[in-house]
Amino acid sequence: DAEITQSPRHKITETGRQVTLACHQTWNHNNMFWYRQDLGHGLRLIHYSYGVHDTNKGEVSDGYSVSRSNTEDLPLTLESAASSQTSVYFCASSESGRQETQYFGPGTRLLVL
Amino acid sequence: GDSVTQMEGPVTLSEEAFLTINCTYTATGYPSLFWYVQYPGEGLQLLLKATKADDKGSNKGFEATYRKETTSFHLEKGSVQVSDSAVYFCALGPQGGSEKLVFGKGTKLTVNP
Repeated sequence: DAEITQSPRHKITETGRQVTLACHQTWNHNNMFWYRQDLGHGLRLIHYSYGVHDTNKGEVSDGYSVSRSNTEDLPLTLESAASSQTSVYFCASSESGRQETQYFGPGTRLLVL
Repeated sequence: GDSVTQMEGPVTLSEEAFLTINCTYTATGYPSLFWYVQYPGEGLQLLLKATKADDKGSNKGFEATYRKETTSFHLEKGSVQVSDSAVYFCALGPQGGSEKLVFGKGTKLTVNP
């Protein structure tokens, strides 16, 4: 069965370190998205991609970067981790089209000390 | 811009009670509408969707009708169970060349036995 996976599921890091969160999907979807979820803010879009070599900034992109070198993967990098980036991160993917569902990964819980 | 407003909760009900979670939207076009559910410790998953006005989406006893005249997509269930305890998100679907979803902030539902 097709799926979307994230790793690691839990991560503790220190302020200033570079951190990369992995996202891998086997749906062969063109679209991939990264969100963060925080109490009181719901889901906020960080970055998204509509295909290989395409990346776009979302509403809270500062301090984050992504690259898309193949269809299956969209890693999210925190260039220099800050305590404000402590959050739960979700990756999602979808086919193109107004009716299409986004499929979410299980999430990565990140703690920045 | 496009937006979704849903009742923030939390909502606490007894088992077998009737559930309504209100969702209204503002959109420039005619998007599909979605309800996603997030069970504790998991990612979001699609609960139901409707793609045009007057469509009714349904799944697992939940229903929602796309009401263009009131710009609403309220979620209802006639008899909730403890296992329905989760966070529910209303979302506008992709439109106007964008593949992004626009999420409400989520409503936490707790069902007590």
